[in-house]
Amino acid sequence: GENVEQHPSTLSVQEGDSAVIKCTYSDSASNYFPWYKQELGKRPQLIIDIRSNVGEKKDQRIAVTLNKTAKHFSLHITETQPEDSAVYFCAASTGSWGKLQFGAGTQVVVTP
Amino acid sequence: EAGVVQSPRYKIIEKKQPVAFWCNPISGHNTLYWYLQNLGQGPELLIRYENEEAVDDSQLPKDRFSAERLKGVDSTLKIQPAELGDSAVYLCASSLDRNNEQFFGPGTRLTVL
Repeated sequence: GENVEQHPSTLSVQEGDSAVIKCTYSDSASNYFPWYKQELGKRPQLIIDIRSNVGEKKDQRIAVTLNKTAKHFSLHITETQPEDSAVYFCAASTGSWGKLQFGAGTQVVVTP
Repeated sequence: EAGVVQSPRYKIIEKKQPVAFWCNPISGHNTLYWYLQNLGQGPELLIRYENEEAVDDSQLPKDRFSAERLKGVDSTLKIQPAELGDSAVYLCASSLDRNNEQFFGPGTRLTVL
C-alpha cells in the first residue's frame, strides 16, 4: 500500500520568513495530494491540493509543488504569520481519492 | 452551511466498557469516513461508506469495532470492549463523493482508563 513520509516533524520560523514542508510517497500510481492544516484541538482543514497532472499550484501565500519522477511534493508558505502556527499534514491518494494516506504531520511555530 | 457534526466531543470510559460515537455528515454528502488519530500522528482511515455501503473497511479491527450508516446519512462507530490502546481522537469526515474534498468533523477524544 501507499506510504507517506513527512519532514520535518517540527519547524520554527520567524514571522515573515518562509516555511517549507516536504513529503515523499511510495506508490507511483498516486494522483491526488492534499494538504491539511490542524490547529490545536480543532478539525483538519484542507488548505490546498494538487493533482498529478499539475506540477505547481498557488493560492495567495501558499503553494504546493509536485515532482512525480522523484515521488515527492512540498508545501511552501511565504510571509509567515503567527496564525500560520498549526500542524500541517500531507496526504496521498491512489485511484479513488477516498483512500488518503496521511503523513505524520509537521508542527509549525511562527514566532513574532 | 453546517459542517460535519460529531458527538460526544469527549468520552472517558474504563477498559472493557462499550462506547459509541455518532457522526452527521454535511447534507448531500454521499461518502462518509471514520478516521483514527493518535497523538502526534496523521489520521488513519478505519472505514469508508458510499451511501449506506461500507466499501473500504480493511483497517477496521472487526473483533471489537463495528460501524453502521443506516439510510446513508448519519453513522455510528462502536467499540466493544474498549482497550487502553483505543485512546485516541476519532474523526468523521464526509465528501460529495469519493473524488471530492473531505470535510472533517471536530472529532471525539476517547480516553480509556
